[in-house]
This record gives sequence, structure tokens and C-alpha cells, in this order.
Amino acid sequence: GESVGLHLPTLSVQEGDNSIINCAYSNSASDYFIWYKQESGKGPQFIIDIRSNMDKRQGQRVTVLLNKTVKHLSLQIAATQPGDSAVYFCAEIRTGGFKTIFGAGTRLFVKA
Amino acid sequence: SAVISQKPSRDICQRGTSLTIQCQVDSQVTMMFWYRQQPGQSLTLIATANQGSEATYESGFVIDKFPISRPNLTFSTLTVSNMSPEDSSIYLCSGMGWDTEAFFGQGTRLTVV
Repeated sequence: GESVGLHLPTLSVQEGDNSIINCAYSNSASDYFIWYKQESGKGPQFIIDIRSNMDKRQGQRVTVLLNKTVKHLSLQIAATQPGDSAVYFCAEIRTGGFKTIFGAGTRLFVKA
Repeated sequence: SAVISQKPSRDICQRGTSLTIQCQVDSQVTMMFWYRQQPGQSLTLIATANQGSEATYESGFVIDKFPISRPNLTFSTLTVSNMSPEDSSIYLCSGMGWDTEAFFGQGTRLTVV
């Protein structure tokens, strides 16, 4: 079936390094792709989104890249900090709808 | 950004009973949703809570098991009916305005014994 999933379930990086979290999706009919961060015991928190007609968008310390040819989405976090340790989900909003469909998640560990 | 409050934050329930989870948003939102999240897993959409009408359920979820109400733009309830241990999970309420950002409550951690 249609899905939004991730290549790596866990990622461990050194503090100060850059992190790259990847996501593969199968449904081409999506208007937006979104990244969420979920800390332990909390609900997901919006990080950044990208419209399907874009290939790159930058935020504060984060960059999202979208490659529609290979149906791949990535989140880059610059100068990763201990506070970035969390689970990161990619998600999508499909064309004509408003509901957010979540991918499998990657747990990011930041080593001090 | 909207703030979403859920009650209860956690509960331990006997099998066969029902639990109603409340979700309050501090401002009007266009859409409200209910998700389920098993420990260590992603979020699965249960349904879209529609104001003043029946919720729209995703495949695998039915109204008899998960009745949902949304009497106004800022409040919704999810009932987990006739619970079994398989219903043990975290249930999350979400609200969305006219953009792509969904806001989430802290979740309700349900354990069925």
C-alpha cells in the first residue's frame, strides 16, 4: 500500500556535526511533505514543510530536500545539539486533503 | 500556534470497559484528528473529527469501537469502547488550521489490563 517510510531507524551523531535523516515515500499525489520532531512523552512538533513543487527549503539550522524523481525526502540539521535528540517523522499531506499521514520515524541520538 | 490539552494524560482500565478522552484547543482550528501511537512506533490516523457530523474513519477503524464527537470548533472526544489489552497505546489529538502545521496534545497513555 501507499506509505511514507524511513531508511534508518536510528542515527547517532556527535554534537556539532551535521545530521541527515532520510525518508522514502511511495505516493506521488501529495501536496506537502513535513518533518516533525517528537521528544519523549510529548506530541510531535512541526519542524518544517516543503511543497511538492519545490526541491529545497531552509529554516533555522534545518534544511529539507525533496527529490521527486526517486521519491526521497531528507532533513538536514546543522551543528546538531543535544536538544536535537528525539524521534523525527516525515509526513505528507495528500492532494485534496488535509489529513497528515506519518512515516516510520528515526531516533536521533546526539553524543556530547 | 494553538495549544491542545488532553485529558486524562494516562489511565489504566479494565478490559471490557470504555474510556473517553477529551481534547480542548485554545483557539479555533479548521480540522481535528485523532491518532494512535504504539510505543516506539509511528502515528496512525484513526479518524478526522468533523464538527457537528459523523467522523471520517480510516481503514481499520470503525465508529462502534472509536466513537468521536466534535460539538464545536475547539473540542472533541474520542471513546475507546469495550477495551482489550490490544488497545493499550498512546492516543493523540491534533488540530490544524489553514496551513500545513498540525498541533498535537501531549497524548493519553492508555493501559488496558
